[in-house]
Amino acid sequence: EPEVTQTPSHQVTQMGQEVILRCVPISNHLYFYWYRQILGQKVEFLVSFYNNEISEKSEIFDDQFSVERPDGSNFTLKIRSTKLEDSAMYFCAVMAQKNTEAFFGQGTRLTVV
Amino acid sequence: QKEVEQNSGPLSVPEGAIASLNCTYSDRVSQSFFWYRQYSGKSPELIMSIYSNGDKEDGRFTAQLNKASQYVSLLIRDSQPSDSATYLCAVNNGQGRRALTFGSGTRLQVQP
Repeated sequence: EPEVTQTPSHQVTQMGQEVILRCVPISNHLYFYWYRQILGQKVEFLVSFYNNEISEKSEIFDDQFSVERPDGSNFTLKIRSTKLEDSAMYFCAVMAQKNTEAFFGQGTRLTVV
Repeated sequence: QKEVEQNSGPLSVPEGAIASLNCTYSDRVSQSFFWYRQYSGKSPELIMSIYSNGDKEDGRFTAQLNKASQYVSLLIRDSQPSDSATYLCAVNNGQGRRALTFGSGTRLQVQP
């Protein structure tokens, strides 16, 4: 059983629309992350989330992005106004303790048209 | 800029051979090192972690770490066609909450 599941598996949206990507950890994890991977490129860190707040974010994670864990279960990534260059695979990852192994969800393929 | 470098490949080996994958990193304070396997269109799958200098073996996989040389490698013994994938090296500097910095990956092709 995977440590984390993501929905949807594929999302197509029009440029300028808002999207919400969801991540549901299976067991108790303390650290949550979003990464993205543009087709053919490396996996890039977006943001880390611990104790119900953002711990760190990369330069990619600008004002168009936000994260929250509203109900203590789902961990969401919102992109307010999507751009063509937001098209990528978005991965949620979880870690039980700091500096230990990170497990990735199956990803959401976001296509902005 | 903290970097993790890998040869993009493809690295082609015959079935049954040993595949050797290499990775260097620039951040000397890095503490944790991971190898992920990624099939095309899929998410990274953790196959090995290593935290101290030396070798760590798990089945057909051996990870090797040399912090003085800032070098980590992955050996795959008795390579199988199903091992054909992109192998990602990832590093955690242990500071702050940032999780992993990834290399661009090495594509491995195991020829039957």
